[in-house]
Amino acid sequence: GESVGLHLPTLSVQEGDNSIINCAYSNSASDYFIWYKQESGKGPQFIIDIRSNMDKRQGQRVTVLLNKTVKHLSLQIAATQPGDSAVYFCAETPANTGNQFYFGTGTSLTVIP
Amino acid sequence: EAGVAQSPRYKIIEKRQSVAFWCNPISGHATLYWYQQILGQGPKLLIQFQNNGVVDDSQLPKDRFSAERLKGVDSTLKIQPAKLEDSAVYLCASSFVAGGPGELFFGEGSRLTVL
Repeated sequence: GESVGLHLPTLSVQEGDNSIINCAYSNSASDYFIWYKQESGKGPQFIIDIRSNMDKRQGQRVTVLLNKTVKHLSLQIAATQPGDSAVYFCAETPANTGNQFYFGTGTSLTVIP
Repeated sequence: EAGVAQSPRYKIIEKRQSVAFWCNPISGHATLYWYQQILGQGPKLLIQFQNNGVVDDSQLPKDRFSAERLKGVDSTLKIQPAKLEDSAVYLCASSFVAGGPGELFFGEGSRLTVL
């Protein structure tokens, strides 16, 4: 299978600070990436996606950065809130695999009030 | 719009017993996935269906796991006989893929505990 890894398994931030979650991927053929948020006891929930022809995409309080040169993806969360506490996964799908996604290990984000 | 439905939410069985999980994807989604998520790990793809055909089942332990998607809608995942290491959350996801990659929509998962 593919290897999609995260640099840090846990991250604690103060409420109101910005959070940065990193992800390394191994397949240079991957052309679509998604960040998912998973709360305890629930299924993963879509946060933001980015295609390989872009290097940055912004959503509401979230930004994804893609560096294809070093095969690195990051998720930035602005003004982190207690509701952001969850496990965050990056997922990649290589081109021509019929939408087949591979997930990283995940980073557990804890927001300290 | 209704989401991906899964049942049962929780199941506890003894090793060597069998179990089946059911999934109903979002209406109109042609692609259906089963993922296994062991505690503390990311989801691992077991099998991917496109309509009622299998796209990839390379990571499905076929000696004990089976899955089907009759009529290209609902799907069942069966484990027989179960082993202790099968304890995990089984996630079903679906996607509508027409002309390019697209987001996976996940169900809440079925948590299996094998004793």
